Amino acid sequence: EAEVAQSPRYKITEKSQAVAFWCDPISGHATLYWYRQILGQGPELLVQFQDESVVDDSQLPKDRFSAERLKGVDSTLKIQPAELGDSAMYLCASSQEDRAGGELFFGEGSRLTVL
Amino acid sequence: GIQVEQSPPDLILQEGANSTLRCNFSDSVNNLQWFHQNPWGQLINLFYIPSGTKQNGRLSATTVATERYSLLYISSSQTTDSGVYFCAVEGSGTYKYIFGTGTRLKVLA
Repeated sequence: EAEVAQSPRYKITEKSQAVAFWCDPISGHATLYWYRQILGQGPELLVQFQDESVVDDSQLPKDRFSAERLKGVDSTLKIQPAELGDSAMYLCASSQEDRAGGELFFGEGSRLTVL
Repeated sequence: GIQVEQSPPDLILQEGANSTLRCNFSDSVNNLQWFHQNPWGQLINLFYIPSGTKQNGRLSATTVATERYSLLYISSSQTTDSGVYFCAVEGSGTYKYIFGTGTRLKVLA
């Protein structure tokens, strides 16, 4: 069964360091999402891609976060510099539909701890 | 933006009991999904249910879009059902899913 792949599963870093997360969506899925989930809360959308284009990054803290999906397939989310408040689960999801919804499928997530 | 509320926030059951989880949303939606978040943090798809009723084993879900709510039914609960249940909705014209705050379920043996 096709899955969304994410790495690393766990990352511990010190504040002010750079960190990067990688996501490979299900083959053929045009839409890719990065969500952040703080402990005890629901996931919040950071950025949404349609192929290689960003369609929504309104909640992405652009002073320190960046995301790219250069060839419209896999994607990288970067944080530089990391802050204590960035400790969270970073979840990647993909959807087959063009922009308008469709069923979301999530990867296993990348858990970040900033010391 | 659209608001998504889930109830109850916490639920403790004895193994074998039945339960109903509710998701209310504040505006019309194109899509709605129910997820179970396992202890390792992965979100597992339960139902993709913008309207109507679906069943999968001991689980079933109903969405009444005109009244802006969805229900998830768990029958004969098992300890493996423990975890957090989220509903996520895609508001009409928004093209993105918004998650509720979740229902944390604990099933006791």
